Amino acid sequence: NAGVTQTPKFRVLKTGQSMTLLCAQDMNHEYMYWYRQDPGMGLRLIHYSVGEGTTAKGEVPDGYNVSRLKKQNFLLGLESAAPSQTSVYFCASSYSFPGERDQPQHFGDGTRLSIL
Amino acid sequence: AQTVTQSQPEMSVQEAETVTLSCTYDTSESNYYLFWYKQPPSRQMILVIRQEAYKQQNATENRFSVNFQKAAKSFSLKISDSQLGDTAMYFCAFLSGNTPLVFGKGTRLSVIA
Repeated sequence: NAGVTQTPKFRVLKTGQSMTLLCAQDMNHEYMYWYRQDPGMGLRLIHYSVGEGTTAKGEVPDGYNVSRLKKQNFLLGLESAAPSQTSVYFCASSYSFPGERDQPQHFGDGTRLSIL
Repeated sequence: AQTVTQSQPEMSVQEAETVTLSCTYDTSESNYYLFWYKQPPSRQMILVIRQEAYKQQNATENRFSVNFQKAAKSFSLKISDSQLGDTAMYFCAFLSGNTPLVFGKGTRLSVIA
């Protein structure tokens, strides 16, 4: 049972470099999300998708782009990385917004991204 | 927009004692869900307990229980018989039928032997 898989788990970038974080889920979920977690700030929603081919902005979308070309994958892109984007990034997925009784959202294990 | 407030950045409790973590929220929705998540140092997000707003009975899961006060928009988590493994960040979260999870900023709980 893979659930939600994030790659890579760690990455160090230089300012101005670009990269893509991949999130894959094998539960046939319609909804997928990207969050960032910073000390003292909790998890904040960057972008989300309610189905293949759709994306929507969350609370902190600036500096990020996303794509959902396949139902099982949700990509988060940083076109020109900045030190302020140093964070731990979490992907999540769900069948719907209320989700299942015991798992409103299934989370990946996170990606620690450092931008120098 | 919904907001979730956790007013206790850090708390500590002696092993075997009881501790209560506070959470308040703001919403105009009438039907929604509230959750407590635990995040240990491994970074995993682990669902601890869930409460549906339409249910008056407070949810319980073994040593974890909530005090849900809908009128006051309060949703506190009580951990009984605290164990060393309960040491973690705890996040309160809100979800309605129209929006993804909204998280509070978290409370860091330390259980002391």
